[in-house]
Amino acid sequence: DVKVTQSSRYLVKRTGEKVFLECVQDMDHENMFWYRQDPGLGLRLIYFSYDVKMKEKGDIPEGYSVSREKKERFSLILESASTNQTSMYLCASRTGLPNEQFFGPGTRLTVL
Amino acid sequence: GNSVTQMEGPVTLSEEAFLTINCTYTATGYPSLFWYVQYPGEGLQLLLKATKADDKGSNKGFEATYRKETTSFHLEKGSVQVSDSAVYFCALQSTGANNLFFGTGTRLTVIP
Repeated sequence: DVKVTQSSRYLVKRTGEKVFLECVQDMDHENMFWYRQDPGLGLRLIYFSYDVKMKEKGDIPEGYSVSREKKERFSLILESASTNQTSMYLCASRTGLPNEQFFGPGTRLTVL
Repeated sequence: GNSVTQMEGPVTLSEEAFLTINCTYTATGYPSLFWYVQYPGEGLQLLLKATKADDKGSNKGFEATYRKETTSFHLEKGSVQVSDSAVYFCALQSTGANNLFFGTGTRLTVIP
């Protein structure tokens, strides 16, 4: 079974802090994604990566950056956390072919 | 552009009732269509998919048919169980795109 793991299930940070969310997949997938999930808005794509060191902006990249130094790991970085970044963050991975995405369990981030 | 519109919830049904969750889409080209399910406290899991017109996806008693003429992919189940209580997301992936476009999600609660 494909496994996508995220470093924390729950995280509480203060405004202005730098926040790292880590995602690891174990199936050698080329593509990895970061979404945020908010009530009434569904899932919105923040960034995705199609290869090591390659990234593309999604629909809502402002306030976020990403890093992919190894194929299995994709990090989401909030350079200076703000209260409007309080959300559920979901990581996903997929092979290069158009196919289903496999999701991690999510990290619920609260910024105070 | 690409978009997914799905029935707003929440939906509450009694056990063994018939379920329909409506989903319509707008897309360029010939998208693939998906239903994902999110159980409480978990990430998203693929429930079923269809990759071309008139395809029927099915899994765990759920089914959905890709209707190009009505741009729809409605989710149905003949007899729901308490364990089906979850949030259901309709999604599309357009031809050549890397990411999924999600609907806003429909929360289903099944009561005994």
